[in-house]
Amino acid sequence: DGGITQSPKYLFRKEGQNVTLSCEQNLNHDAMYWYRQDPGQGLRLIYYSQIVNDFQKGDIAEGYSVSREKKESFPLTVTSAQKNPTAFYLCASTGQSANTGELFFGEGSRLTVL
Amino acid sequence: GENVEQHPSTLSVQEGDSAVIKCTYSDSASNYFPWYKQELGKRPQLIIDIRSNVGEKKDQRIAVTLNKTAKHFSLHITETQPEDSAVYFCAASAAGTALIFGKGTTLSVSS
Repeated sequence: DGGITQSPKYLFRKEGQNVTLSCEQNLNHDAMYWYRQDPGQGLRLIYYSQIVNDFQKGDIAEGYSVSREKKESFPLTVTSAQKNPTAFYLCASTGQSANTGELFFGEGSRLTVL
Repeated sequence: GENVEQHPSTLSVQEGDSAVIKCTYSDSASNYFPWYKQELGKRPQLIIDIRSNVGEKKDQRIAVTLNKTAKHFSLHITETQPEDSAVYFCAASAAGTALIFGKGTTLSVSS
């Protein structure tokens, strides 16, 4: 069953701790993305990767880091430098060029900082 | 970079009425304009998209129009139904870049 899987679904973190959100896809898609969703703010781009071992910053990359060592995986680390990390995080992928294909989203990960 | 503005933020209509959501974009290089629908508790899903070489596209009750000169595009839903209630996002991107989304419109269709 093909798709894009995010884990964990819910995550709690203490202030000052780093946390890594997992995103795995078995769709053989080249491009992968991380968006942050806050109420009334839409989907804001954090990072994206169009090919293995390469990624670009989005509009709100500060306090986040990513890696793209495998085509299937694009983990997002929320570092202690991110001032307002509590949010809903969505990972997506597309099999076409970065701006012309349908984005397939995961179910999201909700991070709460205590 | 690209900036996408979306209006209105909330929209309430009666079942059977039409709904229109409007977006403007800033980057004249943008050439791809999709619309996503996100039902409560679910992931966003593509409902329709349009490319810059087309002025209008229709799919059953949904249509999208694009005015490249004015840098705006709109989503039109006719004969709305309760199941159309959701958050709708417009987005824009240029070649080789990622989609930039608007802030969303919460559509409520009452029967």
